[in-house]
Amino acid sequence: VLTQSPATLSLSPGERATLSCRASQSVTFYLAWYQQKPGQAPRLLIYDASNRATGIPARFSASGSGTDFTLTISSLEPEDSAVYYCQQSTNWPAHTFGGGTKVEIK
Amino acid sequence: QVQLQESGPGLVKPSQTLSVTCNVSGGSFNNGNYYWNWIRQFPGKGLEWIGHIYYTGSTAYNPSLKSRVTISIDTSKRQFSLRLDSVTAADTAVYFCAREDCSAGSCYVGFDTWGQGTLVTVSS
Repeated sequence: VLTQSPATLSLSPGERATLSCRASQSVTFYLAWYQQKPGQAPRLLIYDASNRATGIPARFSASGSGTDFTLTISSLEPEDSAVYYCQQSTNWPAHTFGGGTKVEIK
Repeated sequence: QVQLQESGPGLVKPSQTLSVTCNVSGGSFNNGNYYWNWIRQFPGKGLEWIGHIYYTGSTAYNPSLKSRVTISIDTSKRQFSLRLDSVTAADTAVYFCAREDCSAGSCYVGFDTWGQGTLVTVSS
């Protein structure tokens, strides 16, 4: 089970956002992060726990291993308003997703 | 650049079968580098992996759905399909197809390309 916190994060442009994803048991580094905007499919941000996907801005970074993972947006832009999901594949081919964190830009 | 596009019925009656197809354009489809997945998103926004298929036809399914799910592939048409039997209102969701990149010998963790999704509502 992946638990994401907080459920909602409300910050101003330029501020730093820190999102958490905690696994009920170790997933080593088999974790990904996604951004989803209303009416769109999830977009892969981070693969293998800490690698930015193609075309993802450098303000997005991620770290962690085992059970605790963090997605950081270093300086929020208005277009970063979205729901962010983590996903694990430690029991490949099975995949599970976290419940999401909504990031609101004030 | 690869693009995925789902097509589905929109509305399915309870106890009937839901069928959705994903057409893949651009990029490689049957060179063995990718697994092709189905993922659904419920109205409350939770995401659930349904299953995947390899170009050879090898499949894997979510154990919670395994008894009702069939995923098939037609490499000549560059498409793969989902069939979900005996649907109920709980199967109402947006159904996405997505690609998993395994070109490095093992699979990268993450679905790198998604279709735009198709909403399927189960209702009489």
